[in-house]
Amino acid sequence: DAGVTQSPTHLIKTRGQQVTLRCSPKSGHDTVSWYQQALGQGPQFIFQYYEEEERQRGNFPDRFSGHQYPNYSSELNVNALLLGDSALYLCASSGVGTGTDTQYFGPGTRLTVL
Amino acid sequence: AQSVTQPDIHITVSEGASLELRCNYSYGATPYLFWYVQSPGQGLQLLLKYFSGDTLVQGIKGFEAEFKRSQSSFNLRKPSVHWSDAAEYFCAVGPRTTSGTYKYIFGTGTRLKVLA
Repeated sequence: DAGVTQSPTHLIKTRGQQVTLRCSPKSGHDTVSWYQQALGQGPQFIFQYYEEEERQRGNFPDRFSGHQYPNYSSELNVNALLLGDSALYLCASSGVGTGTDTQYFGPGTRLTVL
Repeated sequence: AQSVTQPDIHITVSEGASLELRCNYSYGATPYLFWYVQSPGQGLQLLLKYFSGDTLVQGIKGFEAEFKRSQSSFNLRKPSVHWSDAAEYFCAVGPRTTSGTYKYIFGTGTRLKVLA
């Protein structure tokens, strides 16, 4: 049973560019949450997708947007990149019901903005 | 305001010694409680969680945690630390729901160093 997978592993972009990160949830999970983890910090909640809609959002600007597909996979898009967007981006999947009611995290995508 | 506090940024222990990592939260109602571990450059692995029932919960890798409602605490313990336990540990809280999970709030983490 594959866990949460994310791609790419690492990414280097320059200021002003746009980036798309991808996530596939664990089998049986239908909810995807995205977190940003800056160096030396705990993860900060960006938003959550359920039934292809954004269900909850944290304190992040509109430059951060997402999408969820019918197979429950998800994308995180960041426009007009800033140096401060450099971080590890973590995807977590979960669902409803025993064994799915906890968020399980992928290995993350390390984004560096130059 | 909702928050999680991990007062110890760094902790160093000798291999074989006992360990306690502290976690306090401010959340309003009693939340769901979690401990995750993160090795360098890796994602987060769930160690244990508390939803209800017995306030002492057992997790993977020999870790346990105790929920104390009166102190709003959920401290992580291990009787004998192994060198492979060196990592960063995060306490997190999430809302009690029956319709899936929502936003988790994380502490800033405690980095554990183990001396041989």
